[in-house]
Amino acid sequence: RKEVEQDPGPFNVPEGATVAFNCTYSNSASQSFFWYRQDCRKEPKLLMSVYSSGNEDGRFTAQLNRASQYISLLIRDSKLSDSATYLCVVNITWRAGKLIFGQGTTLQVKP
Amino acid sequence: DTAVSQTPKYLVTQMGNDKSIKCEQNLGHDTMYWYKQDSKKFLKIMFSYNNKELIINETVPNRFSPKSPDKAHLNLHINSLELGDSAVYFCASSQGLQGVYNEQFFGPGTRLTVL
Repeated sequence: RKEVEQDPGPFNVPEGATVAFNCTYSNSASQSFFWYRQDCRKEPKLLMSVYSSGNEDGRFTAQLNRASQYISLLIRDSKLSDSATYLCVVNITWRAGKLIFGQGTTLQVKP
Repeated sequence: DTAVSQTPKYLVTQMGNDKSIKCEQNLGHDTMYWYKQDSKKFLKIMFSYNNKELIINETVPNRFSPKSPDKAHLNLHINSLELGDSAVYFCASSQGLQGVYNEQFFGPGTRLTVL
């Protein structure tokens, strides 16, 4: 079983749609959680950290369910510029450093 | 100003050759990393250094040797290149090891093709 699993997609949605991505992780001792964004042929960039109580950043909402070992990302009012691959990332150590990346979910927002 | 830079951006070489990739960060970070992203897009950590000290060394062939001359630089040397080494190699840095929410900043990647 992969340490971090995501549906690779692609998710094709129209502008303005709401889309949700899910991710599961296998290590129950995982310490911290993130969503990174990677544009085609570019480097990954941090989109947002995911906190236990859930958190929101503009149109983006992240949720964490430790009991189910499940992380989600909700994007509201999708923009063309949201088209990218979204990487679910887990830090399995008690200190920063060893990030485990999911394969990524590809989102294509169409006009 | 580029925060994390890598050279070269593209590297095409023959099997059996030895090559190096250089990485520099100007963020004042203590920790640097090397990642490999294969053709299936999985991004996997290879090494991390904190203040020039090796911290993480994943199951990577001995042909790969990182070197950190100072905390702003982490180079990757690869001996006897094989076809399976073809991938995109990303360098990254973070403020330090403490703090589980320390963001990692990635360089633009080096696309290595072994023929």
